[in-house]
Amino acid sequence: EPEVTQTPSHQVTQMGQEVILRCVPISNHLYFYWYRQILGQKVEFLVSFYNNEISEKSEIFDDQFSVERPDGSNFTLKIRSTKLEDSAMYFCASSEQGPMNTEAFFGQGTRLTVV
Amino acid sequence: AQSVSQHNHHVILSEAASLELGCNYSYGGTVNLFWYVQYPGQHLQLLLKYFSGDPLVKGIKGFEAEFIKSKFSFNLRKPSVQWSDTAEYFCAVNMDYGQNFVFGPGTRLSVLP
Repeated sequence: EPEVTQTPSHQVTQMGQEVILRCVPISNHLYFYWYRQILGQKVEFLVSFYNNEISEKSEIFDDQFSVERPDGSNFTLKIRSTKLEDSAMYFCASSEQGPMNTEAFFGQGTRLTVV
Repeated sequence: AQSVSQHNHHVILSEAASLELGCNYSYGGTVNLFWYVQYPGQHLQLLLKYFSGDPLVKGIKGFEAEFIKSKFSFNLRKPSVQWSDTAEYFCAVNMDYGQNFVFGPGTRLSVLP
């Protein structure tokens, strides 16, 4: 069964450093998403991406964040200068069509720890 | 802002008990509704979904949910839970103006053997 894959599974970084979280969405999917889940808290939307551009972003997704689809398979989330409060589980998701038509499939997540 | 609420933070049941987890959303337009489950240490997996049609939807592992438009609710049910159902359950809603899924805060279910 096709699945969304994320690497690394766990990343530890020093405050102020840049991190790139990588995702390989399901191959025929067109919509991509990043969510995060701070330990013990709710799953929060960060950004959605379609047709090589951001289709929607939340207030969390400020100038420190960026997304890119550098080739036909990868979808990355970059945090330019990490803060302690960026520590969370980051989930990538993809859907075949937009959210009004299909469900999202989630990856296993990357646990980001900022020290 | 539109929101999704889940009534219970933590539910503890014995095996074979019946389960109902509440989910409400605050939006008067067209919605698509989902329940996801997150087993310990794992990713979010889809249990069931509603787009249109019969408001009673059946999902995997014996779960079902009922969309009641007048109550803005999409409660999850299972007639007899098992220890393996121990997990976090998230209700999610797509509202027709948005390009994302809005998640509720989650309900942790603990099933005692």
